[in-house]
Amino acid sequence: DIQMTQSPSSLSTSVGDRVTITCRPSQSISSYLNWYQQIPGKAPKLLIYAASTLQSGVPSRFSGSGSGTYFTLTISSLQPEDFATYFCQQSYTSPYTFGQGTKLEIK
Amino acid sequence: QITLKESGPTLVRPTQTLTLTCTFSGFSLSTSGVGVAWIRQPPGKALEWLALIYWDDDKRYSPSLKRRLTITKDTSKNQVVLTMTNMDPVDTGTYYCAHIYTAYEEHHFFDPWGQGTLVTVSS
Repeated sequence: DIQMTQSPSSLSTSVGDRVTITCRPSQSISSYLNWYQQIPGKAPKLLIYAASTLQSGVPSRFSGSGSGTYFTLTISSLQPEDFATYFCQQSYTSPYTFGQGTKLEIK
Repeated sequence: QITLKESGPTLVRPTQTLTLTCTFSGFSLSTSGVGVAWIRQPPGKALEWLALIYWDDDKRYSPSLKRRLTITKDTSKNQVVLTMTNMDPVDTGTYYCAHIYTAYEEHHFFDPWGQGTLVTVSS
């Protein structure tokens, strides 16, 4: 199985901050990397697929980059509704593993 | 608009078999490239992919749970069923089904997800 390691596990941030979350697969996955946002008590929501393609309807302050074994999710200016948990997931090969999550908390 | 909804028991006894149904609308599981996945999440923990099924009946399972899982589809009813045998308290969590979309170069992703159903395993 491909292990997905996210960092940090949690981050205390403020509205307006620029935030970057990293995701490192245990082996190369080309650009087969998706990002999801989960608000407490809700189902995950797709933000970015294929490492850098923004899903329709997702605000442009979200962006993704990377390939191989290093990926990032960046939120350019945090909004109150962005305080949530973010998961990366590889779609390169089965089993389609997720990272452990990064929780953004209000400072 | 694509929607999915999970249904099944909220409480399961240890060693019993769990049967969950995902009922969906807005797409057909007979359309090329389309699939449905099951993902679960123990309380306060990370997401765990369990299984998926594609329009052509291609099925994939988590290797760690493969012996316990079966996924099937009923295209006429717009349903996907997941069964998990020999349930244990560690299987407690929220179970989600999700639509699989396959984009260019075989990139696929889970979108949207159902609301999830909480399953508790306890005697």
